[in-house]
Amino acid sequence: AQSVTQLGSHVSVSEGALVLLRCNYSSSVPPYLFWYVQYPNQGLQLLLKYTSAATLVKGINGFEAEFKKSETSFHLTKPSAHMSDAAEYFCAVSPRLTGGGNKLTFGTGTQLKVEL
Amino acid sequence: AAGVIQSPRHLIKEKRETATLKCYPIPRHDTVYWYQQGPGQDPQFLISFYEKMQSDKGSIPDRFSAQQFSDYHSELNMSSLELGDSALYFCASSYSGGENTGELFFGEGSRLTVL
Repeated sequence: AQSVTQLGSHVSVSEGALVLLRCNYSSSVPPYLFWYVQYPNQGLQLLLKYTSAATLVKGINGFEAEFKKSETSFHLTKPSAHMSDAAEYFCAVSPRLTGGGNKLTFGTGTQLKVEL
Repeated sequence: AAGVIQSPRHLIKEKRETATLKCYPIPRHDTVYWYQQGPGQDPQFLISFYEKMQSDKGSIPDRFSAQQFSDYHSELNMSSLELGDSALYFCASSYSGGENTGELFFGEGSRLTVL
């Protein structure tokens, strides 16, 4: 079974500082990997996705992530944090299947706090 | 662009009552997924349907059932509601053919509160 592990349930950074949210995956085959953001009482918004086209993936709001097969990692980064980045971030994995089998398995989430 | 539509957005029920949530996928999407997110939890996969047939099953209680109709919309039926069923329920849809990248498109969720 595929899974993702997010290290750090809470991360706090200063405004303007680097954001690094860690995600490691477990899969016997190269999976699809995703980062989603969830603001309080809202739905899940896709930040970016890895589908093997390129190992460095750029997403919305200045976020990017790098797929590293040797480290089985897909860490999310942003060079400069903004107050509006404060939210819950979920890493997710899905198999490369057809026929409706691509359910997402989420990590436990990382709550990002941005301080002045 | 059309998104995944869920209704109702908010629902309040008493214990032992029944609730039905509806999901309208993005046009041409052939797969629907249901997730449950408890307070402070990550979304947990419940069940999915591909071309109106159940394609996968997760941690869905026996008190819950779901189906996908001929117009591809889906309904999640929850009976004998318990306090622990209070959660945000997400529906997502995807298209399995063509440029399938495994991406799921999520609705805004239906918040169920059981009193």
